[in-house]
Amino acid sequence: EPEVTQTPSHQVTQMGQEVILRCVPISNHLYFYWYRQILGQKVEFLVSFYNNEISEKSEIFDDQFSVERPDGSNFTLKIRSTKLEDSAMYFCASSDLGARNEQFFGPGTRLTVL
Amino acid sequence: RKEVEQDPGPFNVPEGATVAFNCTYSNSASQSFFWYRQDCRKEPKLLMSVYSSGNEDGRFTAQLNRASQYISLLIRDSKLSDSATYLCVVNTNRDDKIIFGKGTRLHILP
Repeated sequence: EPEVTQTPSHQVTQMGQEVILRCVPISNHLYFYWYRQILGQKVEFLVSFYNNEISEKSEIFDDQFSVERPDGSNFTLKIRSTKLEDSAMYFCASSDLGARNEQFFGPGTRLTVL
Repeated sequence: RKEVEQDPGPFNVPEGATVAFNCTYSNSASQSFFWYRQDCRKEPKLLMSVYSSGNEDGRFTAQLNRASQYISLLIRDSKLSDSATYLCVVNTNRDDKIIFGKGTRLHILP
């Protein structure tokens, strides 16, 4: 069964450092998403991506964040200068028909900012 | 009013019992509705989509009430493996994002 994969599973970084979280969506999906979940809180939408551009972003997704699809398979989330409050679980998801259809989530990357 | 609201629980239910959760949403333009389950420190996994006519998948039944803007999930003959957090998820179709509720925690007791 096809699945979304994410690397690394856990990333520890110092405040102010740049991190790149990587995702490989399901191969025939066209819509890609990043979410974050701070421990004990709800899953929060960050950004959606379709046709090589951002289609929607939340207020959380400020200038410190960027996304890229550098090749035909990877989808990345970059945080330029991490802050303590960026510590969270980051989930990538993909969908074949956009947000009105089911989204399939990767296992997540746990980001710890020290 | 929160966009998607759920009773956080926890619901402590004996094995074999029936349990029901409700979820309310604030945007009357919402078109797509889902229930996901999330195990501790894991990713959300789709449980079922919720259709206007209601739908059933084995022990799970989902209902949508557009007039009152709520959706429900019924779990019959609950199993220990049903212990998880159940997430109500809504999309408005105008934008390419989904909104999650905070989830309802369910503990099935042996």
